[in-house]
Amino acid sequence: DSGVTQTPKHLITATGQRVTLRCSPRSGDLSVYWYQQSLDQGLQFLIQYYNGEERAKGNILERFSAQQFPDLHSELNLSSLELGDSALYFCASSVPDGVGTSTDTQYFGPGTRLTVL
Amino acid sequence: TQLLEQSPQFLSIQEGENLTVYCNSSSVFSSLQWYRQEPGEGPVLLVTVVTGGEVKKLKRLTFQFGDARKDSSLHITAAQPGDTGLYLCAGVANDYKLSFGAGTTVTVRA
Repeated sequence: DSGVTQTPKHLITATGQRVTLRCSPRSGDLSVYWYQQSLDQGLQFLIQYYNGEERAKGNILERFSAQQFPDLHSELNLSSLELGDSALYFCASSVPDGVGTSTDTQYFGPGTRLTVL
Repeated sequence: TQLLEQSPQFLSIQEGENLTVYCNSSSVFSSLQWYRQEPGEGPVLLVTVVTGGEVKKLKRLTFQFGDARKDSSLHITAAQPGDTGLYLCAGVANDYKLSFGAGTTVTVRA
């Protein structure tokens, strides 16, 4: 158990719909990262938040957005869903204090499996 | 196109055999991490290597970072069924973003 929780575990929805994925980081961790894992693209970094502020962006589509709340939990919103958005979405957290370094350990949650029909 | 190329993509060996997984890139990384992921779970960090030429050992696992910090290898000695999983390498650039390889699926048969 990494200490990172994600809900829901599974989500099945239809094309064109909007969903929200939720992540609670490890107690005290200030950074939250979102990743997408699909069979054809592998594990791709989407976005990072640090203490409520967006810190880094990766391959995140404009239809996707995220935020980190004052209690440090984070939500990833996916809208106008397409079949190709079906994937595992992971949240990871790190950095209990400080601003982070390149050797920080990221602790991954169990993921949310999104299926778009 | 993956920034990090892992090979082989799949590896199936008998218990007790050795195996090596490779991770190559044309980019230089400030550090490189290896993860193992089991079905239905998120990746779990095994090791972080930072210095070019660095070798780290974790029980039967040996990790090496290339001298130029562009490549890495993971060697498992006397593999056991519990080593079965998806092994991912991830390079850390100066912006702290992790770039993952596509992974190597290792199956160790009893």
